[in-house]
Amino acid sequence: SYVLTQPPSVSVAPGKTARITCGGNNIGSKSVHWYQQKPGQAPLLVIYYSSDRPSGIPERFSGSNSGITATLTISRVEAGDEADYYCQVWDSSSDHRVFGGGTKLTVL
Amino acid sequence: QVQLVESGGGLVKPGGSLRLSCAGSGFTFRDYYMSWIRQAPGKGLEWVSYISGSDSTIYYADSVRGRFTISRDNAKNSLYLQMNNLRAGDTAVYYCARPGPDWYFDLWGRGTLVTVSS
Repeated sequence: SYVLTQPPSVSVAPGKTARITCGGNNIGSKSVHWYQQKPGQAPLLVIYYSSDRPSGIPERFSGSNSGITATLTISRVEAGDEADYYCQVWDSSSDHRVFGGGTKLTVL
Repeated sequence: QVQLVESGGGLVKPGGSLRLSCAGSGFTFRDYYMSWIRQAPGKGLEWVSYISGSDSTIYYADSVRGRFTISRDNAKNSLYLQMNNLRAGDTAVYYCARPGPDWYFDLWGRGTLVTVSS
């Protein structure tokens, strides 16, 4: 089955740029979606189709996808961005919806 | 207001059963596939099952196939998950979620906690 690999944690100072990666076999050929989850809350879609933002999501959130790595980039990081972030794809070969293991973003 | 609200979680013994419900509002429920996604305590997200708008297409993750049954009642704007032969490993918050094209999930409920323990 298709596997998505994320770093367990990423730390960044306020005002700096955070990059969270999501690795998978030929992931560049898939649409990657990203979710933000704060403690005690449901996940929130922040990026879909690898680089599109839902309405209401700040422009500071962006995504890219190529080769074997997709990346969620958060510019000008704020304390309120501290959360767990998950990548997700649809694996058409198995018809499974696959999530990465999640990355905890800590704002220093 | 577009929302999903889950109910039906609780404490159940291993081998027991539980039925979760999810009520949708603010959108044309029958037009959408729907899914269940779960999250074990302190762990990541795991997709469980999906059902098409007309309930003609259903699919399950390997971990629950044969034990869980997804269904829906479009007249009641409701989604269900019948869970049988529950195991400790099924302990999780269960979310219902609405998928968009290419299976991103753009609407989530707040979740309902299922605890399987003796």
